[in-house]
Amino acid sequence: EDQVTQSPEALRLQEGESSSLNCSYTVSGLRGLFWYRQDPGKGPEFLFTLYSAGEEKEKERLKATLTKKESFLHITAPKPEDSATYLCALLGGYNKLIFGAGTRLAVHP
Amino acid sequence: GAGVSQSPSNKVTEKGKDVELRCDPISGHTALYWYRQSLGQGLEFLIYFQGNSAPDKSGLPSDRFSAERTGGSVSTLTIQRTQQEDSAVYLCASSLGQGNTIYFGEGSWLTVV
Repeated sequence: EDQVTQSPEALRLQEGESSSLNCSYTVSGLRGLFWYRQDPGKGPEFLFTLYSAGEEKEKERLKATLTKKESFLHITAPKPEDSATYLCALLGGYNKLIFGAGTRLAVHP
Repeated sequence: GAGVSQSPSNKVTEKGKDVELRCDPISGHTALYWYRQSLGQGLEFLIYFQGNSAPDKSGLPSDRFSAERTGGSVSTLTIQRTQQEDSAVYLCASSLGQGNTIYFGEGSWLTVV
């Protein structure tokens, strides 16, 4: 069964303190791994899609990487506006996204 | 439209009433999805449409839930005889098709009192 597990559940950082969020997955044939950001009261906002092990994508202070068993979202020198819940999702059958529970990130000045 | 549009944005209803939630996907997107997010919980898949057909209804929680899509565009999620456990945010998403990026709307917040 396709499964996604994110860790940690919550992360508190000081502004400028770099860190990584983890997304471990099990899937029979990876078709895509997605990262989304969700602010309170909002729908998920698309960040990245990764399709194969070794692939990396960057956007501003965020960088997503992918191995055969996990993906990392690296946050470099975060700012308070990076505070949000970060969601990882696997692309499953019928083009269905299977989401992890998310990591709640709080960046303090 | 520019993004996925959902209405109403907020709905408070009495237990036992029926509710309809509407989703207008991004223009040209053939795939449409409904998800549910309960307070503090992850996103739960409900149903997927490709065009007007729903090949995967596996996530609908009970027969009180139904969805349709007409003209390959607008979709309606209907919840009959609402219960308090139906209180959640109902999120709609769309994409160009298989393997393409899936974009979400802002959700419809449903509260059953």
